[in-house]
Amino acid sequence: NAGVTQTPKFQVLKTGQSMTLQCAQDMNHNSMYWYRQDPGMGLRLIYYSASEGTTDKGEVPNGYNVSRLNKREFSLRLESAAPSQTSVYFCASRAGKPYGYTFGSGTRLTVV
Amino acid sequence: SQQGEEDPQALSIQEGENATMNCSYKTSINNLQWYRQNSGRGLVHLILIRSNEREKHSGRLRVTLDTSKKSSSLLITASRAADTASYFCATDAVGTSYDKVIFGPGTSLSVIP
Repeated sequence: NAGVTQTPKFQVLKTGQSMTLQCAQDMNHNSMYWYRQDPGMGLRLIYYSASEGTTDKGEVPNGYNVSRLNKREFSLRLESAAPSQTSVYFCASRAGKPYGYTFGSGTRLTVV
Repeated sequence: SQQGEEDPQALSIQEGENATMNCSYKTSINNLQWYRQNSGRGLVHLILIRSNEREKHSGRLRVTLDTSKKSSSLLITASRAADTASYFCATDAVGTSYDKVIFGPGTSLSVIP
C-alpha cells in the first residue's frame, strides 16, 4: 500500500543512548517532515525537508539531527537521548504547499 | 502561541447526532486542513479548504471557513461510533519562513453507541 512507513514502532532507550528513526514514502512527494506529539501539545515540528538535498529546523530541533538520504527516505537521529525526548514521533510527507500531509503510523519512544 | 486552536477540547455525543468542532487561528492563511487521529494511530488528512473558499463537503463532513473571523468549523453529520477520534485543524500560513503547517491541540470526540 502506498504511504509513509516508519520504523521502529516502539523503542525504549536509556539516557545517553543514540538511535535513528527511519521513514520512507513511496508517493514521490517532495517534502518530508518529522513531528513529535506530546499530550496536550498537539504536534510540534522538529525538522523538515522541502526537497531532496535540503533540510531545515522546525520549532523544536534541539537534540535531533536529520538526513534526507534520497527523495524517499528521511531519517531522524537522537545522538544522546534524554527523558524529555520521550514522545510519539511522526513522519509525514506531502507533494507541496497546497496539499495535505500523509502521516506514518508513528514511533512510540520512551527514554528512561 | 498556537496558530490554530480547536474548541471544544472534548465533545461527547450520541450516535446519530451531529458533531461540530471549531478552529480559530491568528494570522492570514493559504489554506486550512482538518485531520483525524484514532487512538494510537497516525493522523489522517480529511479535508483542505483554501483561503478563497467558504465551504467544502466530503461525504458526511462539512467544513466552513470565515477568513474575516479567522475561524473554521468541522461538522460531522449522523455520527457513528467509528468517528470517535481526535480531530486537529492545521493552518498553512501566508508568509511563513518555511514550508509547514501548524497544528492545534485537537478536539477529542467520543461518539456513544
